[in-house]
Parts: sequence; C-alpha cells; structure tokens
Amino acid sequence: EVQLVESGGGLVQPGGSLRLSCAASGFSFNMYWMHWIRQAPGKGLVWVSRIYSDGSSPTYADSVKGRFTISRDNAKNTLYLQMNSLTVDDTAVYYCARDSRHSIDLWGQGTLVTVSS
Amino acid sequence: QSALTQPRSVSGSPGQSVTISCTGTSSDVGVYNYVSWYQQYPGKVPKLIISDVSKRPSGVPDRFSGSKSGNTASLTISGLQAEDEADYYCCSYGGSYEVFGRGTKLTVL
Repeated sequence: EVQLVESGGGLVQPGGSLRLSCAASGFSFNMYWMHWIRQAPGKGLVWVSRIYSDGSSPTYADSVKGRFTISRDNAKNTLYLQMNSLTVDDTAVYYCARDSRHSIDLWGQGTLVTVSS
Repeated sequence: QSALTQPRSVSGSPGQSVTISCTGTSSDVGVYNYVSWYQQYPGKVPKLIISDVSKRPSGVPDRFSGSKSGNTASLTISGLQAEDEADYYCCSYGGSYEVFGRGTKLTVL
C-alpha cells in the first residue's frame, strides 16, 4: 500500500526540541521531492519545508528558517524534521507529503505537536 | 512568502456554480503554472483536486475546474452538490518556496 506514516509528535515545552519522522512505503521514495506541511488547530494549511529526492536543496518557510531542519534517509525510506527552539506558534498537526510535479498527491495522516508549558 | 489570498467563505445552492479565487504575486502564481487546489473535510487529510492550474487527477469529477489569469488562479465548482461542502486551499510553487492560501469554506445552502 502506498502510504506515509508520521511519528514523533507530542507535548514539548517552549524552547524545546522534537524530531518528526515519516516512513514511506509502497512507492519509490528516492524519486520524489518531499514536504512538511502543518495545520494549527482550526487554521489553514501552511507549507513548512521541502527537500529534493536526493536530499539536496532543503528550503524552509521564513517562520521556521534557522530553527527547523529537514532531511531524509533514502535507504530507510524515511523523511525527518528536526524542530528546535519551539514556540507556542509551532503547535499544529504536521503532515508529511509527497510532491508530484509541484502538487501534493499523497499525504500522511499527520502527527500533532503541542508546544505548551 | 505571504499566504495566497482566498475569500474566507463562499456559498451556493445545489446545482449552482461557485468560483473561488486565489491571488498571489508575480513571484509565484503569476510566473509558474503550478497552482494546485485541495479539498479538506473537517478532521480529514487534504485531497488534491486540481494540479498544474487546470488538471484533474483521476477520480476527481469534471465538475471541478481550474484556471489562471495573471497573478490570480480560480477554482470553479459547477453543479454544486451537498458533498462539496468543505474547505478549499490553493497552493503555488514559487521556486525556492511553496505557499498555500488561507483557505475558503464552501457552504452548500
């Protein structure tokens, strides 16, 4: 089955760190750009970060630049998001997503990150 | 990287047509033909309904159509059905970034 499964979300204090993982299966993970997209409770979709199929050229939304790091391990079919210096504004469901010619054709179920003291 | 501008809400009666606009800039919507649209039901994962401005993925009804003029893209839903009531998001490729609209809530009256 073609799917993306996120993990690693949870409750973290402001200023803390968290690492999200996304396990891909059922397709050739190493052929696709991948994204992280987040959605705060009751709010809209916000693009967070993107990485090329070979792990090069990571790009970030201004709101997370310098704090978040996207990476991937194609041998393990896994995408990562290292999140540091978290603030309450980072509270959201984080989706792992597959890029298909600049559109998102496959989404994970999401993992909830809650930043609170 | 400012969010694309969408109307907060639109509404229509069954059978009618509605259009949702999505305005970006000359750095994203205006220069790339990579505008996509997503449908999201409450508590559910978004679903791709339009790619590359106007292409419908397999399985998406032809009631959904997309277009673009200048810095503004549009999603038109014709022959509205009750099941179309959902949130709709546009998204554009911008070279070094991607950007979503803030979303439009479609109400079927």
